Amino acid sequence: EVQLVESGGGLVQPGGSLRLSCAASGFTFGSYVMSWVRQAPGKGLEWVSGISGSGGSAYYPDSVKGRFTISRDNSNNTLYLQMTSLRAEDTAVYYCAKGTTYYDFWRGSDYWGPGTLVTVSS
Amino acid sequence: QSALTQPASVSGSPGQSITISCTGTNSDVGRYNYVSWYQQHPGKAPKLMMSDVSNRPSGVSNRFSGSKSGNTASLTISGLLAEDEADYYCSSYTTNSPYWVFGGGTKLTVL
Repeated sequence: EVQLVESGGGLVQPGGSLRLSCAASGFTFGSYVMSWVRQAPGKGLEWVSGISGSGGSAYYPDSVKGRFTISRDNSNNTLYLQMTSLRAEDTAVYYCAKGTTYYDFWRGSDYWGPGTLVTVSS
Repeated sequence: QSALTQPASVSGSPGQSITISCTGTNSDVGRYNYVSWYQQHPGKAPKLMMSDVSNRPSGVSNRFSGSKSGNTASLTISGLLAEDEADYYCSSYTTNSPYWVFGGGTKLTVL
């Protein structure tokens, strides 16, 4: 059974940093692209980063480029999201999501974790 | 404002069929067959219901179907059930950043 479990969320002050983790199990982790998708309270979904199966290619939208860094440890089946220079508008539930292919994160994510809440506030 | 436009809400009675539209541009929906759809119940994670416009993942009911015409993709749910009541989001690859965009979501109410 595929399982994704996020951790690391919490309350952080504006300008602060936070690292999220996602523990994966039940599939060959290194064979699939992984993404982070967030959802602000009462709002829609927003993709914030994607990383290829090997970890060699990473992608970001302009809204987080230069502030967020996605990485993965295929030996420990874990996905990470390092977030810096956090802003109030980064407040959201952050989901870890498994892609359906090795590289094309945009082709859909078939498994999602329950999410971890990040609150940016003073 | 979301990159893809969805109706805020749709409704239908049990047993009926409904269609949710997702309108983009010729830089996303109109250019690529990389439209996917997600169902999200309150407080839960999204669930993939359709990928590559009309590919239904294993385990998803065949009451769900997807299509695309020009810059508009559609998700049709036939034989509505109470359990279909949820928020639905479309997404697509897009040529420029942010590369993977979502619609604003549609709240489906089963009357």
